[in-house]
Amino acid sequence: AQTVTQSQPEMSVQEAETVTLSCTYDTSESDYYLFWYKQPPSRQMILVIRQEAYKQQNATENRFSVNFQKAAKSFSLKISDSQLGDAAMYFCAYRSNNNNDMRFGAGTRLTVKP
Amino acid sequence: DTAVSQTPKYLVTQMGNDKSIKCEQNLGHDTMYWYKQDSKKFLKIMFSYNNKELIINETVPNRFSPKSPDKAHLNLHINSLELGDSAVYFCASSKRTSTNEQFFGPGTRLTVL
Repeated sequence: AQTVTQSQPEMSVQEAETVTLSCTYDTSESDYYLFWYKQPPSRQMILVIRQEAYKQQNATENRFSVNFQKAAKSFSLKISDSQLGDAAMYFCAYRSNNNNDMRFGAGTRLTVKP
Repeated sequence: DTAVSQTPKYLVTQMGNDKSIKCEQNLGHDTMYWYKQDSKKFLKIMFSYNNKELIINETVPNRFSPKSPDKAHLNLHINSLELGDSAVYFCASSKRTSTNEQFFGPGTRLTVL
């Protein structure tokens, strides 16, 4: 079974600075998808960014970008120019192309300091 | 609004009761899911379901049962509620042929007293 590991239970960043959240995963598959979801205090799960494993280019969405290292099975999230509204739990997730299962990491709580 | 919706948002009940949480999506998706998020924020899939296949996580007690009256709905029934069932339950949906992104509902916080 695939496992997703987020080794940082908590992270903090100064407003306007950059922060990187780590995620590693374990799989024997070659075709899969990776996601970062954000969960603010409102509880809503919001997709931040996605990466298809067959794409070598790292995904970017405005201030959010990933560093996808397929061989190392690493998928970190970089948040640039951090804003107070970025404060939330961030979950890394893996989804196989063969089934519907989405496996989530344990989450990283990000605090943004003004 | 196109979205995944859940009712109720909060549910407080006594141990031993039977309760249901409703989920609806108007995104035209063909697969729906239920997740449980415990007090430590850990998200675990409970079920995934399309009109052909129900996949159950083997760790889910059989007191939990999904019921789908149609493709847009997947309700969660829980019998004989226990204290350990207290959690936030999320419904989600996706389209199999897409990039496999799942869209989540707002969650239902269940408290069992």
